[in-house]
Amino acid sequence: KAGVTQTPRYLIKTRGQQVTLSCSPISGHRSVSWYQQTPGQGLQFLFEYFSETQRNKGNFPGRFSGRQFSNSRSEMNVSTLELGDSALYLCASSLGGQGSETQYFGPGTRLLVL
Amino acid sequence: GNSVTQMEGPVTLSEEAFLTINCTYTATGYPSLFWYVQYPGEGLQLLLKATKADDKGSNKGFEATYRKETTSFHLEKGSVQVSDSAVYFCALSVQAGTALIFGKGTTLSVSS
Repeated sequence: KAGVTQTPRYLIKTRGQQVTLSCSPISGHRSVSWYQQTPGQGLQFLFEYFSETQRNKGNFPGRFSGRQFSNSRSEMNVSTLELGDSALYLCASSLGGQGSETQYFGPGTRLLVL
Repeated sequence: GNSVTQMEGPVTLSEEAFLTINCTYTATGYPSLFWYVQYPGEGLQLLLKATKADDKGSNKGFEATYRKETTSFHLEKGSVQVSDSAVYFCALSVQAGTALIFGKGTTLSVSS
């Protein structure tokens, strides 16, 4: 089975621009979660989608949004980029979205905001 | 609120040494506990997990026991290898959802 894939792997943007990141979960997985990883803040939960609905949301501003399609693929959008948005963005998928389930992570998209 | 505290690194060991990375948690309800590992330039991989008190998770020689009385989930390995060099994250998830709450991570460096 193919793992979680994320595109693009690397991205450079300038302040004020917007960016869209994509995540394809493992086949059959219906839950997709997004995380931001920075040296200062560590790994922080952004949001989770299950069956095309946002089910959980972390403590991030409204500039961060996402969606999930009927095939479970998910996109994450960040508008009006700030320097502090530079980070590794990780996507994870799980079967049914239960807390005890294993989440499988993709390799991440490294975003640099200049 | 829910949180995870793990020992600060880096941890530097010689090959075949014993490893312990401490992890304690604060949570409402009954969380599931996880150890994830991140190798350089890669995403996170599940190392082991435990979903209820007194469960022991184990994988690749690593093990951790879910201790409800001490709210701990310490990671141990009897004999580390150079290939174990990575960053290790302790995490919890509350049953109601999948949001993982991570500790800050502990960098392990093993030399031959």
